[in-house]
Amino acid sequence: KNQVEQSPQSLIILEGKNCTLQCNYTVSPFSNLRWYKQDTGRGPVSLTIMTFSENTKSNGRYTATLDADTKQSSLHITASQLSDSASYICVVSARSNYQLIWGAGTKLIIKP
Amino acid sequence: KAGVTQTPRYLIKTRGQQVTLSCSPISGHRSVSWYQQTPGQGLQFLFEYFSETQRNKGNFPGRFSGRQFSNSRSEMNVSTLELGDSALYLCASSLGSEVGSPLHFGNGTRLTVT
Repeated sequence: KNQVEQSPQSLIILEGKNCTLQCNYTVSPFSNLRWYKQDTGRGPVSLTIMTFSENTKSNGRYTATLDADTKQSSLHITASQLSDSASYICVVSARSNYQLIWGAGTKLIIKP
Repeated sequence: KAGVTQTPRYLIKTRGQQVTLSCSPISGHRSVSWYQQTPGQGLQFLFEYFSETQRNKGNFPGRFSGRQFSNSRSEMNVSTLELGDSALYLCASSLGSEVGSPLHFGNGTRLTVT
């Protein structure tokens, strides 16, 4: 069964600190993996999209990694800011039918 | 370039009624997909339309239906509303290609069923 699991479910860190969010998937055949940021009450916003051949991709202070062999991805946030408080969602695309498999998200809270 | 527009932003309906939500995608985007999000839950996929054809469908009852028009605008209809249908309904558009085509979301319609 195609699944995407994220950990931790929630995370609280102090402003300025770094953090890493995890995503494990069992989607096959794999097409690409995406990370989205969702602020409360708003639609998700795309952070990165990685295909099979990419193992690192950065977007400002956000760096995503992908290990297609172990089917794991991580999202690293550097020097966190209060505006980083949001849910971060990992999404994996299946090559066979354009289907997107969504993780439940990690709720990140940045405290001053 | 205008983003994805969803209307209305908020909606209050009574159990048993029906509701229609509207989504205008980014110009040039041919794929529109719909999602339901309830408090504390991840996004649940409803369906996706590409060039007026339903390309994928999630595991929702037949009370949930949608359509896409020739200008790519899409509507979602929910009939015989239940209390559990209260949620944020999100629409997303994309170019529709399989790889490297990010979804662009609207800010949703918050539906409350009383």
